[in-house]
Amino acid sequence: GEDVEQSLFLSVREGDSSVINCTYTDSSSTYLYWYKQEPGAGLQLLTYIFSNMDMKQDQRLTVLLNKKDKHLSLRIADTQTGDSAIYFCAESLGSGNTGKLIFGQGTTLQVKP
Amino acid sequence: NAGVTQTPKFQVLKTGQSMTLQCAQDMNHEYMSWYRQDPGMGLRLIHYSVGAGITDQGEVPNGYNVSRSTTEDFPLRLLSAAPSQTSVYFCASSSPDRRGYTFGSGTRLTVV
Repeated sequence: GEDVEQSLFLSVREGDSSVINCTYTDSSSTYLYWYKQEPGAGLQLLTYIFSNMDMKQDQRLTVLLNKKDKHLSLRIADTQTGDSAIYFCAESLGSGNTGKLIFGQGTTLQVKP
Repeated sequence: NAGVTQTPKFQVLKTGQSMTLQCAQDMNHEYMSWYRQDPGMGLRLIHYSVGAGITDQGEVPNGYNVSRSTTEDFPLRLLSAAPSQTSVYFCASSSPDRRGYTFGSGTRLTVV
């Protein structure tokens, strides 16, 4: 079945780059998303990528997609303490929009000053 | 501000009680869905809807009902609350282009 997996924890120093990894299983054309969740808050969409793309850059964020390995990564350049949060990878299932997202377990990013 | 509005933000229920979690969006999105978030498990899909009058089950539908009588509203009903339904519930909506799902701020539900 469909599954999205992430590593659970990442700790970096302020100013370093952070790389959060995700693997997914759906083989059809799909959108993949990165969401950020701060404590006690909802989910904020950071960026998305369609499965026919290899890379997308948006300011400090770079998304890389390896379609062969079904591997997605989110790189945050110049990580700040305000980037400390849980980051979720999610996949929109199937070739049409059914409103169904499958989420990974979330990666907790800790940024040390 | 345009977005997804969830009410209430917090709720405590006794086992066996019923209640409805409200979700409304003002972006004219066709697609709406409900998720629950439990520690260490990410978000799991409960029910979803692709338009008014159309709903379907997600990954964890047992104990929950939904209806979609209008484009704007997608309420989630707990029929007989159980402690296993203690969770944070999120409603989301999207347009058909799938370029982003907008989430509400969540309802934190405790069943005692």
